[in-house]
This record gives sequence, structure tokens and C-alpha cells, in this order.
Amino acid sequence: DTEVTQTPKHLVMGMTNKKSLKCEQHMGHRAMYWYKQKAKKPPELMFVYSYEKLSINESVPSRFSPECPNSSLLNLHLHALQPEDSALYLCASSLVTPSSYNEQFFGPGTRLTVL
Amino acid sequence: KQEVTQIPAALSVPEGENLVLNCSFTDSAIYNLQWFRQDPGKGLTSLLLIQSSQREQTSGRLNASLDKSSGRSTLYIAASQPGDSATYLCAVGANSKLTFGKGITLSVRP
Repeated sequence: DTEVTQTPKHLVMGMTNKKSLKCEQHMGHRAMYWYKQKAKKPPELMFVYSYEKLSINESVPSRFSPECPNSSLLNLHLHALQPEDSALYLCASSLVTPSSYNEQFFGPGTRLTVL
Repeated sequence: KQEVTQIPAALSVPEGENLVLNCSFTDSAIYNLQWFRQDPGKGLTSLLLIQSSQREQTSGRLNASLDKSSGRSTLYIAASQPGDSATYLCAVGANSKLTFGKGITLSVRP
């Protein structure tokens, strides 16, 4: 298995809703990442987990709450989002970090729309 | 702060042409450099990874080179096809982070 899966593919939520994005990989990778990508912009790093511990938080608002329950799963819990949070949310994983062998593999993304 | 630049932002070529896509970065203290392909509304597909100690990598019709000292990388696409139409992003890896360029949107005309 050489892929990263993400669910759901699309999500529409109101500003008062609570929802979660899920990411899964079975490549034995021990680093997992959340990125946010707005239209026609490059991905922006949000969080990095290394060996199931949060190692990087790029000053992301607290309405985004990441969770790594085990080495294969990564969640992003969403609460009280704003319309400007609408974007493509990408999950990625890599073998180890930091390292020159640190090739990141991305999932297909979740297209989030906040009304 | 690392800055990654890809110029031009868009490129349109006829089928069969050999292409060079450029990427430049400001800080040479990197672990690696990755080239990705992104189709509209989709995730990123890793094309090639060049480790900091390497000069180039090849996969099929793709060849990527890295010159750390000058802060440059190129992605060479041989015999371009309409199916190569996509956005190509380069990303520089350091300290557990990837810093992306804005990408080059390539259109290959039949």
C-alpha cells in the first residue's frame, strides 16, 4: 500500500458546526502533516506530527485541532470555522523527519466549504 | 526565511516539445528538493526527490537537477504530451518543512 487516503472528499459546514477530517496511511511512515491550500496558491504547512507527537504548529488558529491517535491515522478537528477557512486540506506522510530521505506523499485532499 | 520562486507562472507548448521548468531558492541549507505535479482540484503527486548530496534524478521522461550552491533546480520533460498538462510545483525540504514555489501551470497543445 503506497497511498495516503483522506475522507471525506468534500465537506460543507456551517460556522457553528463541528466536523473532522481524516487521513490514513499504511506505509509505515512516522511523520504526518496537514497542509491548507487556497485556490491557485501553493500548499501552506499547518501541523507536523513526528512519532505521534505534535512537533510543529505553524501558528494555526485554535479552531483547528489536530490529533494523531496512532502511527497510521491523523485527524483534523474543525470547530467554529470562518468562510475564509474554505480551502483544500491536504494530508501528507513521510518516512522520517528531518532527513534527506524525507519524501512526502500526499493524499487527494478534502475540499472544505464553510458557509 | 526560505523563498522559492518558479517563473514563468504559466507555459503553453505544442506536443512533442522538450521542456525545462525552473525553480530557484534563497537558502542553500536544504535536506532535499521535491518536484510535484498537481491536477486541478486534486492532491499532489510526487514526481522526483533529489537529496541534498545528489545532482540529479531521473524517472521515465523526467529528469530533475539540483545545484545547491546557486540555489537552482530544473525539471526537464522530454517529448511532452497533452497528458503532461498540469501544475508543477517544486518544494524545498529543511527542518521537517517543505517550502513550496507557486507552481508553473503547463498546457501541452495537441
